[in-house]
Amino acid sequence: DADVTQTPRNRITKTGKRIMLECSQTKGHDRMYWYRQDPGLGLRLIYYSFDVKDINKGEISDGYSVSRQAQAKFSLSLESAIPNQTALYFCATRGTESYGYTFGSGTRLTVV
Amino acid sequence: DAKTTQPNSMESNEEEPVHLPCNHSTISGTDYIHWYRQLPSQGPEYVIHGLTSNVNNRMASLAIAEDRKSSTLILHRATLRDAAVYYCIRTNNAGNMLTFGGGTRLMVKP
Repeated sequence: DADVTQTPRNRITKTGKRIMLECSQTKGHDRMYWYRQDPGLGLRLIYYSFDVKDINKGEISDGYSVSRQAQAKFSLSLESAIPNQTALYFCATRGTESYGYTFGSGTRLTVV
Repeated sequence: DAKTTQPNSMESNEEEPVHLPCNHSTISGTDYIHWYRQLPSQGPEYVIHGLTSNVNNRMASLAIAEDRKSSTLILHRATLRDAAVYYCIRTNNAGNMLTFGGGTRLMVKP
């Protein structure tokens, strides 16, 4: 099994719909992150969490919300999806004692 | 500006060393330099990171300039499986990656 699992892998949704992307990890890391990647571009940070009670906004948090249900689970929600949120979304984790990030395989989201 | 600057693309021959440059002229004293690579349809993969000293691991070496305004990722013997987009990123002292740039697309020729 993958260390960081994202579900779904692909999703097509309609404008205005609420959608949740889920991330779970088996690495026991405290820190979890959500990034989005647009075609041909690098990743941009949406939200991050240092533990279950800690949630922080990244550089592009507008239109998104997150929930840290447990140490191992961090979900990203689009309250009312819009077409420019079409992107590849990545979840990542990092342990407190190391600085390497482990990324999931991504969720490809299309908003029509 | 927290971004790093990398060439858009580079080519290498298989079995030869590859030097991927990165400019981070506005780096602060507590920012680490991280390198990740991304293969098509996959998430980024950690390669190496460092602060001031050169670093080596099983995947690569990281050479950091004395003034820390630039660094170079060194793949000692490129293989076809090393073809990917390589990202150089700064992290603050909490370990948060400040931003990804566009990266360098490395093409490896047999």
